[in-house]
Amino acid sequence: GENVEQHPSTLSVQEGDSAVIKCTYSDSASNYFPWYKQELGKRPQLIIDIRSNVGEKKDQRIAVTLNKTAKHFSLHITETQPEDSAVYFCAAIIQGAQKLVFGQGTRLTINP
Amino acid sequence: DVKVTQSSRYLVKRTGEKVFLECVQDMDHENMFWYRQDPGLGLRLIYFSYDVKMKEKGDIPEGYSVSREKKERFSLILESASTNQTSMYLCASSSPGTGKETQYFGPGTRLLVL
Repeated sequence: GENVEQHPSTLSVQEGDSAVIKCTYSDSASNYFPWYKQELGKRPQLIIDIRSNVGEKKDQRIAVTLNKTAKHFSLHITETQPEDSAVYFCAAIIQGAQKLVFGQGTRLTINP
Repeated sequence: DVKVTQSSRYLVKRTGEKVFLECVQDMDHENMFWYRQDPGLGLRLIYFSYDVKMKEKGDIPEGYSVSREKKERFSLILESASTNQTSMYLCASSSPGTGKETQYFGPGTRLLVL
């Protein structure tokens, strides 16, 4: 089955700098890769996703890149702000499967 | 907007009690999931269901059972609660096969077993 590895487990950056979180997956049949943000005490919420037919997707300060050959995808946050502090989860799903496979999560802290 | 609700935000139970956690979604999603979330361990799948009365074990099903009698409702049952089941429990739902594999999460139930 699919396995997703996420790094780093914790990340601390200065406000205004960029943050990058990386995930690798094992099954080349995976074709959908969402990213979730979980603020303290709240539910995980989808912030951006990408499909395997696209190499990059942007939404304001957030972008996701996908390298199918290397089987890894990354979340990029530019011009970080205090409200970006949260736990971020990557996930992958194999085409036709019923469930997402999640990475272990990254705790991002933005220092003022 | 998808709405996933859970019956309680906080629960305190005693060891050995039978505990019911309920999840309801209003988007006619086929799939529903139960996860537990512990510090440093991410989201661990307990059980999921892809149709009424259908269920499949996830990664950590021991000590839990589930029930799905109606499409919109998915219950997690702790037959005899133990202290190591103290955790945050998250329910989620999704609709597969239509390009909408995104899971939508409920607000979570924080369970304390004494």
